[in-house]
Amino acid sequence: DVKVTQSSRYLVKRTGEKVFLECVQDMDHENMFWYRQDPGLGLRLIYFSYDVKMKEKGDIPEGYSVSREKKERFSLILESASTNQTSMYLCASTLSGGGPDTQYFGPGTRLTVL
Amino acid sequence: QKEVEQNSGPLSVPEGAIASLNCTYSDRGSQSFFWYRQYSGKSPELIMFIYSNGDKEDGRFTAQLNKASQYVSLLIRDSQPSDSATYLCAVNERTGGSYIPTFGRGTSLIVHP
Repeated sequence: DVKVTQSSRYLVKRTGEKVFLECVQDMDHENMFWYRQDPGLGLRLIYFSYDVKMKEKGDIPEGYSVSREKKERFSLILESASTNQTSMYLCASTLSGGGPDTQYFGPGTRLTVL
Repeated sequence: QKEVEQNSGPLSVPEGAIASLNCTYSDRGSQSFFWYRQYSGKSPELIMFIYSNGDKEDGRFTAQLNKASQYVSLLIRDSQPSDSATYLCAVNERTGGSYIPTFGRGTSLIVHP
């Protein structure tokens, strides 16, 4: 089974702090994604990566950056956390080429910015 | 801007009934279509995917796709209380070498005994 893990289930940070959210997948998937999920707004794509050191902006990249130095690891960075970044953050991965490109999700990190 | 629309619900059905969940999408270039189930406090998990027009059945679940009408649906037969969850429709479009999904906001389903 594909396993996607995220570094924390719950995180509380203060406004202005730099925040790192880590995601690791163990199935050699090329593509990795970061989403945030808010009530009434659904899942929104922040960034995705289709290869090591490659990244593409999603629908809401403002205030975020990402890093992918190894194939299995994709990090989301909040350079200066703000209260409007309080949300559930979900990481996902997919295998590129062939197959149904199913999104495999991690358990999520609920981030609260005070 | 690609859009995927779902009725937010909640859709309430009695145990044993058929639940019908609907989704429309705006991008005619969309190539693959997915239904995910998300229990409260959990992450989404795949129920079904469909590529071609028509019906696809898997156990109690049937996905239906009509590309001309830009419409995809999920039928759940013999609904159980354990089916109570939010159902997310996702539509993939090929961008370069990758498939990028757009998610609907989800429909909340409640199956009452």
